[in-house]
Amino acid sequence: DAGVIQSPRHEVTEMGQEVTLRCKPISGHDYLFWYRQTMMRGLELLIYFNNNVPIDDSGMPEDRFSAKMPNASFSTLKIQPSEPRDSAVYFCASSSTTGRSYEQYFGPGTRLTVT
Amino acid sequence: AQSVTQLGSHVSVSEGALVLLRCNYSSSVPPYLFWYVQYPNQGLQLLLKYTTGATLVKGINGFEAEFKKSETSFHLTKPSAHMSDAAEYFCAVRSTMNTGNQFYFGTGTSLTVIP
Repeated sequence: DAGVIQSPRHEVTEMGQEVTLRCKPISGHDYLFWYRQTMMRGLELLIYFNNNVPIDDSGMPEDRFSAKMPNASFSTLKIQPSEPRDSAVYFCASSSTTGRSYEQYFGPGTRLTVT
Repeated sequence: AQSVTQLGSHVSVSEGALVLLRCNYSSSVPPYLFWYVQYPNQGLQLLLKYTTGATLVKGINGFEAEFKKSETSFHLTKPSAHMSDAAEYFCAVRSTMNTGNQFYFGTGTSLTVIP
């Protein structure tokens, strides 16, 4: 299995621009998670989906952030408009509750820099 | 509510010395427990997990952890540190209740191995 795939790996954009981060979970996994990691705040859960349905988005910082999962193999995290404080590494993770394995598998992350 | 405390944000050990990274959790019922490792510029990788059964669990790269219910702890150990163990380590918990698949991560411990 290729693991969780994220694109792009690096994104540099100017303040005010729209940013879209992409994630392909591991095939067969029914949960998908979006995290943000910064030095100041550590690892934060932004939102997670179960069977393509958003379950908890209480970690989304504000209305500038939105996430979608149109099908089981694809999810996006969008920031519009972007701000310098959004600079962070964004991780996508997926997991399966089949067989009671539970562990989350992380992608390599997208390093976002907003200037 | 669940939470995880990792004592010591930075730990330094000499090469060949014992590694001990501490993790305590707060939960109304014993949760599922995980340790992840993050190498620079990479995503989180599962080291080991405890769900049920034997309380001493072995993971990859020679690491192991012991679930101690009476102490609400899940400390990570390795008998002999190697230079390649230098990384960030995260402890995480997941509820055993059927209330979603959310993980609660600790703030991480950065391990430095001194040659």
